[in-house]
Amino acid sequence: EAQVTQNPRYLITVTGKKLTVTCSQNMNHEYMSWYRQDPGLGLRQIYYSMNVEVTDKGDVPEGYKVSRKEKRNFPLILESPSPNQTSLYFCASSLGRDRVSNEQFFGPGTRLTVL
Amino acid sequence: GESVGLHLPTLSVQEGDNSIINCAYSNSASDYFIWYKQESGKGPQFIIDIRSNMDKRQGQRVTVLLNKTVKHLSLQIAATQPGDSAVYFCAEKRTGFQKLVFGTGTRLLVSP
Repeated sequence: EAQVTQNPRYLITVTGKKLTVTCSQNMNHEYMSWYRQDPGLGLRQIYYSMNVEVTDKGDVPEGYKVSRKEKRNFPLILESPSPNQTSLYFCASSLGRDRVSNEQFFGPGTRLTVL
Repeated sequence: GESVGLHLPTLSVQEGDNSIINCAYSNSASDYFIWYKQESGKGPQFIIDIRSNMDKRQGQRVTVLLNKTVKHLSLQIAATQPGDSAVYFCAEKRTGFQKLVFGTGTRLLVSP
């Protein structure tokens, strides 16, 4: 089944404890992206990647890191999480070498709580 | 399921009615406008898109209308069903940018 998977789905952690949220897609998509979703703010892009070893900042990149060593994986790293990073996170992927596609495929989401 | 927002505008309709979900945008330099549907506990799912040089596009039970004069986008759902209950987001693909910009969403509630 074609899909985007994220792990973990739920995570409660404490301020300052490094964490990684994994994202993997099996559709051979070039473009991958991370979003956070907060009440009243919609989806905001954190980082995106046009292809392997190519990443760029989205609208809210502060406090996050990403890497794209393989085409299928795009982990989101929080080196020192803070309570304002408590949010619902979505990974997405789409076709599109050198451009983003209108149809992005989203993972199921990761609910992160930072105490 | 996951709560996606406590401050969302909500549209309540009866099953079988037609629904119209609206979206205002501010940026004129967008190539495409897109609608996504997010069901409780799931990620957003693509519904339909419309190129900026078009006024109307129809899909299966859905129609998107674009009025560039007043910068307004709408999604019409015909014969709304309980399975249409979800949060609907409009999004723009801005010229020269490799990303989609999402609106804040509208919750559609369909009662039997």
